[in-house]
This record gives sequence, C-alpha cells and structure tokens, in this order.
Amino acid sequence: GAVVSQHPSWVICKSGTSVKIECRSLDFQATTMFWYRQFPKQSLMLMATSNEGSKATYEQGVEKDKFLINHASLTLSTLTVTSAHPEDSSFYICSASRGRGTGNTIYFGEGSWLTVV
Amino acid sequence: GEDVEQSLFLSVREGDSSVINCTYTDSSSTYLYWYKQEPGAGLQLLTYIFSNMDMKQDQRLTVLLNKKDKHLSLRIADTQTGDSAIYFCAESYGGYQKVTFGTGTKLQVIP
Repeated sequence: GAVVSQHPSWVICKSGTSVKIECRSLDFQATTMFWYRQFPKQSLMLMATSNEGSKATYEQGVEKDKFLINHASLTLSTLTVTSAHPEDSSFYICSASRGRGTGNTIYFGEGSWLTVV
Repeated sequence: GEDVEQSLFLSVREGDSSVINCTYTDSSSTYLYWYKQEPGAGLQLLTYIFSNMDMKQDQRLTVLLNKKDKHLSLRIADTQTGDSAIYFCAESYGGYQKVTFGTGTKLQVIP
C-alpha cells in the first residue's frame, strides 16, 4: 500500500482562488519532503524542499509567495497555490524520504492534478 | 547542475525486448532510478541501482549502468501492452535527497 498519500488527487478551482494540496507520510516520519511539478508532456521539476519546522527551500524561478509550503509536522507537508491562474494547471507530486542510505527510501505520493478554470 | 537526458519515444512490438536509454552528467550521483508513469497516474518506482553496481535484474527488468560513460539503461524483456507508459530515469546524491528526473521516454507497445 501507499506510504505517502496526497490529497486531493484531482481538483478544479476558479481563477483567483487558492487551493491546498496535502502530502502525508503514512507510517514513517519525514523530516524532508519534496514538491515537484509536471507540465503536460514534460518531466518533473523540483519546486521546493520542505523541511519540518523551518522554511521551505525553493528552486530558482519558483515564486515562494505563490506556492506556499508548510511542513508543520513530521508526517504532513502542504502546498498552497495562491491566486491560482490557468497557467498553474499542472500535476503536482510530493515525495518523502524515509531513513537514509538506501536507494528505495524516497517515496512518491500519487500526485494531484490541478486544473484552474 | 544536474542534467538527465532520454530519448523521447520508443515503439516496440509486443513480446519483443525494449531498451530505454538515459545519460546523466552528475558524477556524484549515488542512486539511479527508473520510474513508470501511466496516463493520468502518479509515479511508480520500478527499480533502482547504486552507482557502485554495473547491473541489476528484477524479473523482466534489467538495469545496466556504465558509470564511466554516465549511461543508464532499462531493458524490459517480453514487453507487454501494459508496459506502455512514460519511463523516467532519475538520479540523486544519497538515497534521501532530492531526485532529478530525466525528460521521460514514452514507450508504445504495438500488439
């Protein structure tokens, strides 16, 4: 079963509104979570690194005031797309690290499809 | 920065083998991954390999790594129509760090 859960899987929102996507690690604590975005027919691009209890680290070109990331607990990180516009429509996916040192400890959520109309 | 490249498209006949290739630039990569993404779905980790390995086999999947040339490949034996998807190779430095994805290869399996 899934060890990282995202919610919602699909969301449609009106232009100008905000939408929140949750990423939960179900049976382990994740001090670090990552948020990615995938535009149609393109690869996944890292948006930001979410650190529990501290501010997120954003990749170059990602607006931190538009994509608010909160990692309030060791099992939950949220991504809020503020004042969404149609160009924000994308597939957003999170990942969480479980432990260290072995290659299969990065788990991805199922992803969230955002459509802004 | 890191750069991971793949060919965009591969078409094979059902029952044949598929080989998807990937090149990367970061010599400090320690983990290399193959992910599968079906239409409208999330990512599925297929397999991974440590950078100190040359090969890893898992049922129908064989991963080959040429660290000198920074070349990674995924071979799918007896390809089935259910294997049709986009395949991403990816790399990370350390198993718990951010993952850098390739451009993705769309595999089309012809019945």
